[in-house]
Amino acid sequence: GNSVTQMEGPVTLSEEAFLTINCTYTATGYPSLFWYVQYPGEGLQLLLKATKADDKGSNKGFEATYRKETTSFHLEKGSVQVSDSAVYFCALNAGGTSYGKLTFGQGTILTVHP
Amino acid sequence: EAGVAQSPRYKIIEKRQSVAFWCNPISGHATLYWYQQILGQGPKLLIQFQNNGVVDDSQLPKDRFSAERLKGVDSTLKIQPAKLEDSAVYLCASSYRDYGYTFGSGTRLTVV
Repeated sequence: GNSVTQMEGPVTLSEEAFLTINCTYTATGYPSLFWYVQYPGEGLQLLLKATKADDKGSNKGFEATYRKETTSFHLEKGSVQVSDSAVYFCALNAGGTSYGKLTFGQGTILTVHP
Repeated sequence: EAGVAQSPRYKIIEKRQSVAFWCNPISGHATLYWYQQILGQGPKLLIQFQNNGVVDDSQLPKDRFSAERLKGVDSTLKIQPAKLEDSAVYLCASSYRDYGYTFGSGTRLTVV
C-alpha cells in the first residue's frame, strides 16, 4: 500500500538556522507529493507541492524536490524564523492529482527559538 | 472566500455515548472529506464524498461511525457508541477538481 515516512521529531533550532525535514514515500505509479503545515489551533495548510519527478515546489522560503530515484521529498529552508514553529506533514496522492485521498506521514514538530 | 467551517471546536463525552460533528465546505466544492487525526499521527481519511455520493469509505469503522452529505453541501459525521480510542481531532476538508483543497480547523473529541 501507499505510505509516507517522516524523520523523527521534534526538531529544535535557533533562528536563522538551516532546516531539513526528511520524507520518503512508498507508492505505485506516479503520486503527487505535498508538504502541509499546521500552526497551533489551526487547520492544515498546503505549504508546497510537486506533481512529477524532478519538480521543485517552493513557498515562503521552503523548498522540496520530488526525487523519484530515492522516493524522497525532503523539506528545506535556508533560514528559519520563530514564526515557522509548527507541525509539518509530508503527504502523497497516489492518483497523481491534487484532489482525492491524501496519505500523510506522522508529522514533525518544529520549534524555533530566538 | 470563506473557509471550511466545522462545529463544535471541542467535545468531551463519556464512552458509549454518541456524538455528531458538522461540516460546511467551501461553496461550490463538490468533494468533501473527513479525516481522523490521532495525537502524534498524521490525518487518516475516513470517508470521501463526491457531491452526495460516497467515493471511498474503506477506512470508516462502519459498526460505529456513519456520515452523510445532504444535498451535496453540508456533512455530518456521527459516532455511536464512542470508544476511548476515538479520541482525536476530526478534520473536514473540501476541494473542487484539481485545486482548492482546504481543511477546516477541526473538532477535538475527548472520550473519557
